[in-house]
Amino acid sequence: EVQLLESGGGLVQPGGSLRLSCAASGFSFSSYAMNWVRQAPGKGLEWVSDISVGGGGTHYADSVKGRFTISRDNSKNTLYLQMYSLRAEDTAVYYCAKKLTGYYTFDDWGQGTLVTVSS
Amino acid sequence: QSVLTQPPSVSGAPGQRVTISCTGSSSNIGSGFDVHWHQQLPGTAPKLLIFGNSNRPSGVPDRFSGSKSGTSASLAISGLQADDEGDYYCQSYDSSLNGYVFGTGTKVTVL
Repeated sequence: EVQLLESGGGLVQPGGSLRLSCAASGFSFSSYAMNWVRQAPGKGLEWVSDISVGGGGTHYADSVKGRFTISRDNSKNTLYLQMYSLRAEDTAVYYCAKKLTGYYTFDDWGQGTLVTVSS
Repeated sequence: QSVLTQPPSVSGAPGQRVTISCTGSSSNIGSGFDVHWHQQLPGTAPKLLIFGNSNRPSGVPDRFSGSKSGTSASLAISGLQADDEGDYYCQSYDSSLNGYVFGTGTKVTVL
């Protein structure tokens, strides 16, 4: 059974930094591209970033480009999202999601971790 | 910010059929990119419901069906049940944004 377990969320001041982790199990992590998707309180889903199987290819939504960095450690089956210069509008539940091979979509989602940016 | 447009809400009585539309543009659905649907029940993470326009992952009942035409797509739920209540999001890929895009979301209410 695929399991994706996010951690690292919490309360951070505007301008601060935070690193999220997503521990994967139940599948061959190194064989799948991975993503981060977020959901602001009471709002819809917003794709944040993706990373290729080897980690050499990354893409970001314009809203986080230059402030967030996605990475992965295939030896630890873990996905990361390093967030810098956080803003109030970054407040959201952050989900890690596994890409469905052959399709531009996500077939497994974690339970999410809440990031709150507030003074 | 959402690139794909959905109706805010749809409702129906138990057993009825409801449909949710998803309208995109020439840089996403109209470019040939597939449409996928995700279901988010209250207080839970999203779950893939339909992929590749009309395919159901293992375990998804055949009450759920999807279709795509031109720059739009739709999700149909037949035999509506109380535990279908939740939010439904269409999703695709956009070549102008070079990223994944979601619909605005539709809340399904069972009367």
